[in-house]
Amino acid sequence: GENVEQHPSTLSVQEGDSAVIKCTYSDSASNYFPWYKQELGKGPQLIIDIRSNVGEKKDQRIAVTLNKTAKHFSLHITETQPEDSAVYFCAAPGAQKLVFGQGTRLTINP
Amino acid sequence: DSGVTQTPKHLITATGQRVTLRCSPRSGDLSVYWYQQSLDQGLQFLIQYYNGEERAKGNILERFSAQQFPDLHSELNLSSLELGDSALYFCASQEGSGGSYEQYFGPGTRLTVT
Repeated sequence: GENVEQHPSTLSVQEGDSAVIKCTYSDSASNYFPWYKQELGKGPQLIIDIRSNVGEKKDQRIAVTLNKTAKHFSLHITETQPEDSAVYFCAAPGAQKLVFGQGTRLTINP
Repeated sequence: DSGVTQTPKHLITATGQRVTLRCSPRSGDLSVYWYQQSLDQGLQFLIQYYNGEERAKGNILERFSAQQFPDLHSELNLSSLELGDSALYFCASQEGSGGSYEQYFGPGTRLTVT
């Protein structure tokens, strides 16, 4: 944070393949990096987060990696399923708040 | 279910009117954040309260105001509504103040201004 760039803005993958979404941040002091999943018409849901004292964290099919030197972090989804279709947001700390990326619309094709 | 509640779920009103959106944070959380999300857009931060005090302000219009009450629920007041105010409004809560806490979102209020 204060500036968080997220790529790509849209991503389409075949069911069963992997998906990767990347974010970069500007503040080298940032120490907390969450990822949110937003399904249509619903509020964003915290799905995984990582703190700066680790380089990778996994939870079943999702994982997040952090490269503090390069100031970027990524969300990895393996063995994608139709229910993974959603908009994903990354975030990083800003002054008194989280700064969110612009979002990635992920579509899983059957 | 995040534990954050928002009412109402849907609101339809006319231009020039005033509405109040309500948010109850998760038990134990002291911070409430308000966001606006227009169609196919990202999350625009509006304002943050911590334990009753305003702590951070984002791109909130002067026609909008908010407050957090002693029981920690928060209200977002939108006045002199315009067509462009039609959007999803989310609140989120977290335990402390700042960007290093887990933040949980409510289900949102969909506002339609006609």
